[in-house]
Amino acid sequence: GEDVEQSLFLSVREGDSSVINCTYTDSSSTYLYWYKQEPGAGLQLLTYIFSNMDMKQDQRLTVLLNKKDKHLSLRIADTQTGDSAIYFCAETIGEGNKLVFGAGTILRVKS
Amino acid sequence: SAVISQKPSRDICQRGTSLTIQCQVDSQVTMMFWYRQQPGQSLTLIATANQGSEATYESGFVIDKFPISRPNLTFSTLTVSNMSPEDSSIYLCSATTGTPIQYFGAGTRLSVL
Repeated sequence: GEDVEQSLFLSVREGDSSVINCTYTDSSSTYLYWYKQEPGAGLQLLTYIFSNMDMKQDQRLTVLLNKKDKHLSLRIADTQTGDSAIYFCAETIGEGNKLVFGAGTILRVKS
Repeated sequence: SAVISQKPSRDICQRGTSLTIQCQVDSQVTMMFWYRQQPGQSLTLIATANQGSEATYESGFVIDKFPISRPNLTFSTLTVSNMSPEDSSIYLCSATTGTPIQYFGAGTRLSVL
């Protein structure tokens, strides 16, 4: 079945880099996503990567995909206190754009 | 892109009652979905809302408990029926516009007493 796993908690100092890791099981996933959820808010799409790519960079965000190991990571450079939130990894499954989410990683940024 | 509005944003309901959540998208979308996020948990897909036909439910979710309508391309409703405290969750609507991007509403925070 489909399963997405993430570490539950990450604490970093302001200005450091954060790396959030995710593993998934469905090798046929075409897209993988990172969403951010701030307290009391909905989900904000941060970035996504197509399964035939190894890396995608967007300003402070770098996504690395190791398809062989089914491993996805999100690196946030120069982490700020405003980056404190829950980060969800998600993969598409089957046809029709259905998403399976990981449990979420709580990122805490200390000033 | 698409902007998704959900109503109500939060509600407190009594056990045994039903609540209908509305989801409105500001542009024509191809697919709409309903997710549930239980306290401290991740998101779980409830169903895909199909325009003009019955929704497609995921394992563990049934139409009698979560009836869904989608009368047109930009609007859908989810009803949480005969509520119990276990239904206390955030319910989120999402939509795609034919691209890989799935947009989410801000969610409806439901507490059942």
